[in-house]
Amino acid sequence: DAMVIQNPRYQVTQFGKPVTLSCSQTLNHNVMYWYQQKSSQAPKLLFHYYDKDFNNEADTPDNFQSRRPNTSFCFLDIRSPGLGDAAMYLCATSRDGGAGANVLTFGAGSRLTVL
Amino acid sequence: GQNIDQPTEMTATEGAIVQINCTYQTSGFNGLFWYQQHAGEAPTFLSYNVLDGLEEKGRFSSFLSRSKGYSYLLLKELQMKDSASYLCAVMDSNYQLIWGAGTKLIIKP
Repeated sequence: DAMVIQNPRYQVTQFGKPVTLSCSQTLNHNVMYWYQQKSSQAPKLLFHYYDKDFNNEADTPDNFQSRRPNTSFCFLDIRSPGLGDAAMYLCATSRDGGAGANVLTFGAGSRLTVL
Repeated sequence: GQNIDQPTEMTATEGAIVQINCTYQTSGFNGLFWYQQHAGEAPTFLSYNVLDGLEEKGRFSSFLSRSKGYSYLLLKELQMKDSASYLCAVMDSNYQLIWGAGTKLIIKP
């Protein structure tokens, strides 16, 4: 089945120790997104790629970086995780980013715990 | 600023009907989405409205009034598995999705 796969599902790290989260998709979608979601809050968009065109949200901290080496894969790097970065990180894809029913397909998420 | 408002939590009884409201103020409008999110899981797409009126899909229906900046999600014949958060999201004039914080729906037997 075509899908969005995130690894790892659960990540525990120490304060300041870098973390990389991965996302792969078999949907051949052009757009890939990284969201941060904290408990009972709206998902917060960190980055998105339209094909290889990188888009950084204005309020995304410099501590977060992203890479999309090819259509299928996208990575989220957290350079120096702080306690406030503990959250669920959601990867999503869409066929395109324009008008119409631009439905997002989400991965199962990576839950980050910072000790 | 842009804003999506929905109730934080609602409780309903198995077999009943519940309506979850969403009001929005955004820079332009290019459609409204409802997603379902079970605890600890990713959101899954439920419905999309871009024109005024009601869209029905099985037990779930979604309504939109663009002039009022208002939508609701109607769930009929509630089942225990419908216990989840329901997220309203609006696509603005820049095709950015603005998300609500979600409504946690608790279903009681």
